[in-house]
Amino acid sequence: DTEVTQTPKHLVMGMTNKKSLKCEQHMGHRAMYWYKQKAKKPPELMFVYSYEKLSINESVPSRFSPECPNSSLLNLHLHALQPEDSALYLCASSGGRRNTEAFFGQGTRLTVV
Amino acid sequence: KQEVTQIPAALSVPEGENLVLNCSFTDSAIYNLQWFRQDPGKGLTSLLLIQSSQREQTSGRLNASLDKSSGRSTLYIAASQPGDSATYLCAVHGGSSNTGKLIFGQGTTLQVKP
Repeated sequence: DTEVTQTPKHLVMGMTNKKSLKCEQHMGHRAMYWYKQKAKKPPELMFVYSYEKLSINESVPSRFSPECPNSSLLNLHLHALQPEDSALYLCASSGGRRNTEAFFGQGTRLTVV
Repeated sequence: KQEVTQIPAALSVPEGENLVLNCSFTDSAIYNLQWFRQDPGKGLTSLLLIQSSQREQTSGRLNASLDKSSGRSTLYIAASQPGDSATYLCAVHGGSSNTGKLIFGQGTTLQVKP
């Protein structure tokens, strides 16, 4: 099983709302990632969790708050977002060692109104 | 700082053609290189992973090569089909930043015409 599952697939939220994106994998991977992708652009790294600890934060605004409750789950909590935060949010996982394959979920299409 | 470039940005070919997509990177100290496919509005599908010690990998009609010393990788697609139409992204893992993150190229958007 090489599946990374993201929910929801689509999300529309107002600028004052609080919502969460969820990501799950059961491949025993110890590294999990959040990427943001704008139209016709490559994915941009936001956060990396390694062994359930935040190891990389790419200077992401605090209105995005990641959480890794256990080795299989990754959440991204959203609060007070701006319309420019509308994008495809992708979750990925890999073995945690640098020579293993990364697998991506199908993404959450987020629209901020 | 690692930079990844993909050429061409877009490619349109008739069905049945063999084609090559190019990827170059500036820092040869990589751990691996991975090719992905992305359909519009969808996530990324892993196609091939080449470890830094390998020269090529094959999967079906796909063959990816890696030349670390020159900072280049190619993705060869044999006998292209309309179903191959998608954006193809290469990403390098590692580099001098030593962070374990994937650094992506801008992608090549492929259209295979019936």
